Amino acid sequence: KAGVTQTPRYLIKTRGQQVTLSCSPISGHRSVSWYQQTPGQGLQFLFEYFSETQRNKGNFPGRFSGRQFSNSRSEMNVSTLELGDSALYLCASSLATTESPLHFGNGTRLTVT
Amino acid sequence: GESVGLHLPTLSVQEGDNSIINCAYSNSASDYFIWYKQESGKGPQFIIDIRSNMDKRQGQRVTVLLNKTVKHLSLQIAATQPGDSAVYFCAENKNQAGTALIFGKGTTLSVSS
Repeated sequence: KAGVTQTPRYLIKTRGQQVTLSCSPISGHRSVSWYQQTPGQGLQFLFEYFSETQRNKGNFPGRFSGRQFSNSRSEMNVSTLELGDSALYLCASSLATTESPLHFGNGTRLTVT
Repeated sequence: GESVGLHLPTLSVQEGDNSIINCAYSNSASDYFIWYKQESGKGPQFIIDIRSNMDKRQGQRVTVLLNKTVKHLSLQIAATQPGDSAVYFCAENKNQAGTALIFGKGTTLSVSS
């Protein structure tokens, strides 16, 4: 079974620009979550989507948004990029029960200059 | 604040030794705990999980122990191998409706042969 796929693997953007990251979950997984990983803050929860609806949201500004499509694929968007948005963005999928583990992709490395 | 943390940022062991990685959590309402392994350039990889109604769970070469009295979680790796070298994170799920995990800061395990 294919794992979680994230594209692109690397991105370099300039302050003020916007970016869209893509995630394809494991087949059959209906829940997709996004996390930001930085050396200073570690892994932080951004949001979770289930059946095309945002089910949970972390403590991030409104510049961070996402969506999920009917095939469970998900995208996240960051608008008006700031230098502090440089991070590894990780997507994870699960079977959507409260005790089913998340399976992560290898992430998109975003660098904002 | 509510957080999941690890006692030691780094742990160095010899190949063949048993490794113990510790984690303290502060939210007594958390009911599901997971250990992840992250290798350089990759996303977190699921190792083992445990529910709050259990004290111990074993996998292949790994054991997770949960002590709810002192809010402590540990991961034991038997016969540690060089391939076990990675950053290990514990995570808790306190959200009954979804998969919003709170991650600890991580312990870097280095295995020398």
